[in-house]
Amino acid sequence: EAGVAQSPRYKIIEKRQSVAFWCNPISGHATLYWYQQILGQGPKLLIQFQNNGVVDDSQLPKDRFSAERLKGVDSTLKIQPAKLEDSAVYLCASSPTSGIRYFGPGTRLTVT
Amino acid sequence: GENVEQHPSTLSVQEGDSAVIKCTYSDSASNYFPWYKQELGKRPQLIIDIRSNVGEKKDQRIAVTLNKTAKHFSLHITETQPEDSAVYFCAASTSGTYKYIFGTGTRLKVLA
Repeated sequence: EAGVAQSPRYKIIEKRQSVAFWCNPISGHATLYWYQQILGQGPKLLIQFQNNGVVDDSQLPKDRFSAERLKGVDSTLKIQPAKLEDSAVYLCASSPTSGIRYFGPGTRLTVT
Repeated sequence: GENVEQHPSTLSVQEGDSAVIKCTYSDSASNYFPWYKQELGKRPQLIIDIRSNVGEKKDQRIAVTLNKTAKHFSLHITETQPEDSAVYFCAASTSGTYKYIFGTGTRLKVLA
């Protein structure tokens, strides 16, 4: 079974620039999550999709972060403009109805 | 809201010894508790989980115990091996929302 795919794996940008991350979940998984993992901390949920609808975006900084999952399959997460404190690993995960999370390899973002 | 505390933050053990990581949760409605292992630079992977209707679950050298009254659960690794070295995250979740709250992680080092 193919896992969750993410790209790019690494990204370095300057503050105030924009960046986008892409995620392709495991085939058949209706639920997709974006997490932010700051060094030394556990993953923090940014947004959860059920098919192409948003279930929970309560912790998404909506003034600068946006995400979409237009066709209910792959998803993009965008940051515009980036701040220094956005430096983190951005993890995408998907799950079947059981709710078990399957994580992708993550994108390590460094904002300078 | 739900809060999950995890201890210790770092743990060093000699190869062959046992390791125990403890987590405490605040929401008494939590009923699903997964444990994830994250090796350096890799994705978190589910290693074991437990639901609130059981008190203990074992899988070879790994076991998880749950005390619902005290609202804490623990990961036990016996006969530790160097490949067990990683960061371990606990999480608490409530069925229906499937929202995970992760602990802050424990860095386990197994010394050869």
